[in-house]
Amino acid sequence: QSVLTQPPSVSAAPGQKVSISCSGSRSNIGDSYVSWYRQLPGTAPKLLIRENKNRPTGIPDRFSGSKSGVSATLGITGLQAGDEADYYCGAWDNSLNTYVFGTGTRVTV
Amino acid sequence: EVQLVQSGAEVKKPGESLKISCRGFGYTFSTDWIAWVRQMPGKGLEWMGIIYPADSDTTYNPPFQGQVTISADKSISTAYLQWSSLKASDTAMYYCLRSGSGYPPDWFDPWGQGTLVIVSS
Repeated sequence: QSVLTQPPSVSAAPGQKVSISCSGSRSNIGDSYVSWYRQLPGTAPKLLIRENKNRPTGIPDRFSGSKSGVSATLGITGLQAGDEADYYCGAWDNSLNTYVFGTGTRVTV
Repeated sequence: EVQLVQSGAEVKKPGESLKISCRGFGYTFSTDWIAWVRQMPGKGLEWMGIIYPADSDTTYNPPFQGQVTISADKSISTAYLQWSSLKASDTAMYYCLRSGSGYPPDWFDPWGQGTLVIVSS
């Protein structure tokens, strides 16, 4: 029931930058804050970005978030081997009255 | 430190009942919404529903309505997810997560470590 669409995978060399898109609609991204989560292999997801662009304490500034209209983007600069993980966007959907996650993006370094 | 600690892995047979738990530490459990998320093997995240422990107000994602029950006991800072009759398709990792922004939730932090449920005959 993923209503937020992400690319299945992105890859880049160590030290490079990647951008992950999250495409939704007016009832979710267009009308709500977007958050991003990282899931390292075999572990629980962890909050990376909240309220479109804000980093929680402890999240390095290599991670950035932005939103425009019904799409959001997560940027990761200075890629490290430890960034290899699955990344998910999420937002509240006012039409479905549920929280929705993106389809997930596997980042390969 | 704010954290959610979930109960351990379970192996059950189809038709059996199950209740898994999620205990909160380091914050006022009753006044923050707690959600549950399912992750089937090799798949993405699915939001199941959310509960407000102070009064047990609960909202379900429609596909999960009637399939599971979300509850909470604020006196012991614990939320629960339960099934009355498990199916093989309930095999998954289940996470509890705290809404950092009230309701409707905008973001979740922290997440529990996950409870693996395996349903097999």
